[in-house]
Amino acid sequence: DAGVTQSPTHLIKTRGQQVTLRCSPKSGHDTVSWYQQALGQGPQFIFQYYEEEERQRGNFPDRFSGHQFPNYSSELNVNALLLGDSALYLCASSFNYEQYFGPGTRLTVT
Amino acid sequence: KQEVTQIPAALSVPEGENLVLNCSFTDSAIYNLQWFRQDPGKGLTSLLLIQSSQREQTSGRLNASLDKSSGRSTLYIAASQPGDSATYLCAVGRNSGGSNYKLTFGKGTLLTVNP
Repeated sequence: DAGVTQSPTHLIKTRGQQVTLRCSPKSGHDTVSWYQQALGQGPQFIFQYYEEEERQRGNFPDRFSGHQFPNYSSELNVNALLLGDSALYLCASSFNYEQYFGPGTRLTVT
Repeated sequence: KQEVTQIPAALSVPEGENLVLNCSFTDSAIYNLQWFRQDPGKGLTSLLLIQSSQREQTSGRLNASLDKSSGRSTLYIAASQPGDSATYLCAVGRNSGGSNYKLTFGKGTLLTVNP
């Protein structure tokens, strides 16, 4: 059984550009959450998707948006990238309140 | 707003030593608490999950305790090994109704076990 997968592994973008990160949840999991982890910090909750809807959101601007597909996979989109968006972006899937994390996507904004 | 604090920020011990990592949280209305391990540049590996009604969980050389009323959890690692070197993150889970559940993390404790 494959765990949570994320793509791409690494990404380098320029300020002002847009980026899309992808996540496939663990088999049988219907809820996907996204977290941002800056260097030396703990992960910060961005938002959560369930039944293709955003169910709750952390303290992130509207530049951060997402989507969940019928197969429960999810995308995180960030528009108008800032240098401060450089971080490890983690996806977590869950079924009954225990979250399983993917390996993350390292985003570098130059 | 839930805040999670982990002490110490970094810890260096010789191989074989028993050690304790501490986690505290400000809001005791939690659903559960998870301890994670993170290797440099990698994702999170779940070590232990404690439900709010439980006092402790054990897995191999790891034991995690939870005192919800005082807002504290500890992760005890017995007979530490160099392979235990990593950042250990504590996260508290809150269920705000329906399927709305999220984790609030501490900044982690960087553990180095020296051979």
